[in-house]
Amino acid sequence: DGGITQSPKYLFRKEGQNVTLSCEQNLNHDAMYWYRQDPGQGLRLIYYSQIVNDFQKGDIAEGYSVSREKKESFPLTVTSAQKNPTAFYLCASSPRQGSSGYNEQFFGPGTRLTVL
Amino acid sequence: AQSVSQHNHHVILSEAASLELGCNYSYGGTVNLFWYVQYPGQHLQLLLKYFSGDPLVKGIKGFEAEFIKSKFSFNLRKPSVQWSDTAEYFCAVGLYGNNRLAFGKGNQVVVIP
Repeated sequence: DGGITQSPKYLFRKEGQNVTLSCEQNLNHDAMYWYRQDPGQGLRLIYYSQIVNDFQKGDIAEGYSVSREKKESFPLTVTSAQKNPTAFYLCASSPRQGSSGYNEQFFGPGTRLTVL
Repeated sequence: AQSVSQHNHHVILSEAASLELGCNYSYGGTVNLFWYVQYPGQHLQLLLKYFSGDPLVKGIKGFEAEFIKSKFSFNLRKPSVQWSDTAEYFCAVGLYGNNRLAFGKGNQVVVIP
């Protein structure tokens, strides 16, 4: 089955600890994204990557870091500098847009992070 | 910066009622438009999309949306909702030539049997 997997589904961490969220896709998509979802806030873009070994900050990148060493993987680290890390984190991917202009994104099931 | 507005965050209605959710965006260039749905405990999934052509787009589960360029709007409609339509609905706008999507804040829809 082609898709996006995120693990774990639920994650608990103590305040002050860094934590890494996993995102893997087997859709052969070039672009990958990390969003944060909070009640009533919609989806806010943290980081995105359009190609391996390259990534850009989104709208709320402070306190987060990413890497893109492989096409299929885009892990997100929530650092201790993130002031309010408890949230639902969604990973997405999309094919390279090319001349079509299309930018449909496909989403994983999400990871709910709780920082105690 | 581009923005996407969805009003009436919480919507409660009875089965068989009609549903319309508004979506307005601020970008004036060529856009691609999406409605995503998140059912309780499930992935965010695509409901329908508009890239070009007929501005009235039909999606899954009896939903449709109309792109009105002059109003910068892409409103979602369903003539008769079911209890299973209880979900959160997100409008998203993508800029032509750009991989990013901007999302609205969502509409939490509850359908009462």
